[in-house]
Amino acid sequence: AQRVTQPEKLLSVFKGAPVELKCNYSYSGSPELFWYVQYSRQRLQLLLRHISRESIKGFTADLNKGETSFHLKKPFAQEEDSAMYYCAAWAYSTLTFGKGTMLLVSP
Amino acid sequence: DAGITQSPRYKITETGRQVTLMCHQTWSHSYMFWYRQDLGHGLRLIYYSAAADITDKGEVPDGYVVSRSKTENFPLTLESATRSQTSVYFCASGGGTGAPNTEAFFGQGTRLTVV
Repeated sequence: AQRVTQPEKLLSVFKGAPVELKCNYSYSGSPELFWYVQYSRQRLQLLLRHISRESIKGFTADLNKGETSFHLKKPFAQEEDSAMYYCAAWAYSTLTFGKGTMLLVSP
Repeated sequence: DAGITQSPRYKITETGRQVTLMCHQTWSHSYMFWYRQDLGHGLRLIYYSAAADITDKGEVPDGYVVSRSKTENFPLTLESATRSQTSVYFCASGGGTGAPNTEAFFGQGTRLTVV
């Protein structure tokens, strides 16, 4: 079955610490992968997509086809990074999300 | 204004009533989606549509009906609301002819409470 897995429900770090939010996918083909972010009481918005290979707000994500992973990383977390992060895969006309990881960055 | 809008933002209804949540996008995106967001479950796909008059079931379609007679509108109807359908519902749109894989834009959500 096609699936996006985010193993951590909650990740709590201190400001300035490195952050890695894990995402694994299970697809028979080559899905397009995304990270979406939802700040408190706001709509979801795109953070990164794997095809663009860009860095947004200091976040990067590398696609590892061998490990079928698309982990999100940031070297130095900021308090304003506190939010819900969703990994998503677009394949076969659908956009499937993982269950999300809540990132809390404490001062 | 350009964008994707959902209405209503908040809705309280009684068990057994029919409820329709509206979604409208101004970009002429081909794809539209309905998700429900619940604690511990993340975003689960209810229904999606690849184009006008083409809809398909997602992960949790039971109890819901959709239609897409026009590209810009994708209403979601709860035929007979149940308490388990209390949730936050998000509509999204994205993609176009020849470019199916692209960013999806989300509405602001509808918080539905079934009492």
